[in-house]
Amino acid sequence: GQNIDQPTEMTATEGAIVQINCTYQTSGFNGLFWYQQHAGEAPTFLSYNVLDGLEEKGRFSSFLSRSKGYSYLLLKELQMKDSASYLCAVRDSNYQLIWGAGTKLIIKP
Amino acid sequence: IAGITQAPTSQILAAGRRMTLRCTQDMRHNAMYWYRQDLGLGLRLIHYSNTAGTTGKGEVPDGYSVSRANTDDFPLTLASAVPSQTSVYFCASGTGGTDTQYFGPGTRLTVL
Repeated sequence: GQNIDQPTEMTATEGAIVQINCTYQTSGFNGLFWYQQHAGEAPTFLSYNVLDGLEEKGRFSSFLSRSKGYSYLLLKELQMKDSASYLCAVRDSNYQLIWGAGTKLIIKP
Repeated sequence: IAGITQAPTSQILAAGRRMTLRCTQDMRHNAMYWYRQDLGLGLRLIHYSNTAGTTGKGEVPDGYSVSRANTDDFPLTLASAVPSQTSVYFCASGTGGTDTQYFGPGTRLTVL
């Protein structure tokens, strides 16, 4: 079966750095996505990785290792507005997105 | 309008009733998707459409139907609602290439 694993919840302090991990086992791989979802709102696109390595976009970076079936999302200089759920999704061999259950990130002052 | 709109925002429905959730996008995206989101679970694909006139089944299609008569609209119909269909429903549309998906605001549906 296909599986995406992420921690259920993480807590971090304002101004700090946090790394959210995602491991996956899917039938094929055609890219990995990270989305942010604030409570009661729609998911919004953060990043896309299809090749191994680090993609940096402002305070957010995403890393991919295809051989390990592993990705992480790195958030720097945390702000209170970063409190949200972070969803990892892998596009499989059928070009459908398989979603993890999401990691709820709580930011404390 | 800009982006994706969904209607209604929320709905309480009696079991056995028929319900259509509406989704409209103005980005001229070829691909559109319907997901449901339940607590503790990832988004699950119900149905999708790669282009106007075609549809396909996702992971959890039973009890749902869709149509794609034109590029902009992708309605989802529950023929006879059951309590297990209580969920938040998101419509999304996708670009070509990386096919990043853009989501509508969601419809919160409660079936009693």
